[in-house]
Amino acid sequence: NAGVTQTPKFRVLKTGQSMTLLCAQDMNHEYMYWYRQDPGMGLRLIHYSVGEGTTAKGEVPDGYNVSRLKKQNFLLGLESAAPSQTSVYFCASSYRLEWIADSPLHFGNGTRLTVT
Amino acid sequence: AQKVTQAQTEISVVEKEDVTLDCVYETRDTTYYLFWYKQPPSGELVFLIRRNSFDEQNEISGRYSWNFQKSTSSFNFTITASQVVDSAVYFCALSENLNDYKLSFGAGTTVTVRA
Repeated sequence: NAGVTQTPKFRVLKTGQSMTLLCAQDMNHEYMYWYRQDPGMGLRLIHYSVGEGTTAKGEVPDGYNVSRLKKQNFLLGLESAAPSQTSVYFCASSYRLEWIADSPLHFGNGTRLTVT
Repeated sequence: AQKVTQAQTEISVVEKEDVTLDCVYETRDTTYYLFWYKQPPSGELVFLIRRNSFDEQNEISGRYSWNFQKSTSSFNFTITASQVVDSAVYFCALSENLNDYKLSFGAGTTVTVRA
């Protein structure tokens, strides 16, 4: 009963390095999201996907790219990391018709990224 | 513009006291959804409640209760007889688009319950 799994849990990067965060869900959810959490700002949406092969920009997309080649995976890439990208990153997923049910967005446990 | 405002940054109470968390939202849509999430010190996000804009009934779940008032655009959350395990960051969130389920979160309120 894995739910939403994020890899890695922690990472330290140097400015200019690149990395990819992996989000995997085993609930057959159509929708997937990447949020970042910063102190005093809550969670802000970076990118999201409403289905395999589709992605869209959220509130703070600059400096990030995403891909959804398989329905169960949603990758978040940082091509050239900057200290401003130091944050906790959360992945989430949901069914398309989640509105009808009470089941909410399902979140992963987060990835803590530090860029020095 | 901030769509969800949680004016209280931190609240500290002694165990068994009641605590109310304020949430004020802003939207032009007539149909929307409001949420509360809890983030304990372990870091995961725990869903507490979802409320539809067309359902203004208040809700109670154990020691938790929610007061939704469209007239003041508020969706306040009360913890009755608080316990140390209630110590967490609480987020209020709004979703306006029913097609993609994007959430706009407030900045969060940190609740500390002292024994």
